Amino acid sequence: EAAVTQSPRNKVAVTGGKVTLSCNQTNNHNNMYWYRQDTGHGLRLIHYSYGAGSTEKGDIPDGYKASRPSQENFSLILELATPSQTSVYFCASGDGTGGWEQYFGPGTRLTVL
Amino acid sequence: QQKVQQSPESLIVPEGGMASLNCTSSDRNVDYFWWYRQHSGKSPKMLMSIFSNGEKEEGRFTVHLNKASLHTSLHIRDSQPSDSALYLCAATKSSGNKLIFGIGTLLSVKP
Repeated sequence: EAAVTQSPRNKVAVTGGKVTLSCNQTNNHNNMYWYRQDTGHGLRLIHYSYGAGSTEKGDIPDGYKASRPSQENFSLILELATPSQTSVYFCASGDGTGGWEQYFGPGTRLTVL
Repeated sequence: QQKVQQSPESLIVPEGGMASLNCTSSDRNVDYFWWYRQHSGKSPKMLMSIFSNGEKEEGRFTVHLNKASLHTSLHIRDSQPSDSALYLCAATKSSGNKLIFGIGTLLSVKP
């Protein structure tokens, strides 16, 4: 089974603070994704990456940056966290094998006070 | 407006009953459809995929796809309490690598 891990699993941050969410995959997948999930909105794509060194904007990138330093690692960075960024964040990995199926990590619950 | 629309928003079925979930894409560029299942407090996991017109069955789960109308449906027969979860439909282009998710259908199976 494909393995995607996220850290931290829970995070409480203060408004205006910097938050970094980390994701690691051992699937050797080229593509990695960051989503947030909110009631009434479903899963929304924030940033994604085609491989080490690349990052692409998803559907809701404002207020977020991403970094892909290696095949295995993909980070989501909130430079100035706001309460509206309180959400559950999921990382996923995938590639063309099997038609672009994505494998999700366990999620990070972020609360910005 | 959501490009992938799911109905109903929520559904309650008795144990042993049939659950039917619907999904339609308004983006005519997609041609692959996915169903993910997400239990409460967990991450989404792929349940079934369908790429061709017609029907695909895996155990108690059956998916249908009509590419002309970009409509897919998921049917769960002999529903069990363990099937209670959020069911997410997603679509993508066969040449693409981004999934477009619907908001989901929350299924509750009552004993």
